[in-house]
Amino acid sequence: SQTIHQWPATLVQPVGSPLSLECTVEGTSNPNLYWYRQAAGRGLQLLFYSVGIGQISSEVPQNLSASRPQDRQFILSSKKLLLSDSGFYLCAWRLKGASTGELFFGEGSRLTVL
Amino acid sequence: GQQVMQIPQYQHVQEGEDFTTYCNSSTTLSNIQWYKQRPGGHPVFLIQLVKSGEVKKQKRLTFQFGEAKKNSSLHITATQTTDVGTYFCAPGGTSYGKLTFGQGTILTVHP
Repeated sequence: SQTIHQWPATLVQPVGSPLSLECTVEGTSNPNLYWYRQAAGRGLQLLFYSVGIGQISSEVPQNLSASRPQDRQFILSSKKLLLSDSGFYLCAWRLKGASTGELFFGEGSRLTVL
Repeated sequence: GQQVMQIPQYQHVQEGEDFTTYCNSSTTLSNIQWYKQRPGGHPVFLIQLVKSGEVKKQKRLTFQFGEAKKNSSLHITATQTTDVGTYFCAPGGTSYGKLTFGQGTILTVHP
């Protein structure tokens, strides 16, 4: 069965520090991968998606970047965090060509920037 | 992506009361997905509706897709404390499987 791992679960970082959140998927290959952010416990904003290794598309301009160095690995990064980067970051994957097209989410990384 | 509006934003009910959340679009949707997010947790897929006028049931949950495929609803009969959370709808059938979620309805159930 497929699983998705996301870490770290929680982190507190000072403004101006770098960020690296990692997500890996097991039990499938060549998935579509997504990074979402949820601010203030409400809506989910799509930040990046990837359809293959090295292929990253950004949905909104921001202080963050994403990379996909391996098929089932998705990384969210920042060189210098801003206060506004605080939030709940969720990685998700989807099976290409699946009839339902549902997204499977990781357990999330809660980031607080002070 | 396609935008949807969810109403209400918040709903407080007494345990045993019914609950309904609505998802509305100004454009025709290919399909609609529903997710539930428990407090502090991650969204979990509930169901996908594809056909015009489709109705699907999962125990106490009833999902409907409008005849014009522009709106959808989730109805919970006799809520329980385990129903607490945020319910999101998201239009599916988009390029690369990207989902744009509605703002969600936060359900609180008072015992």
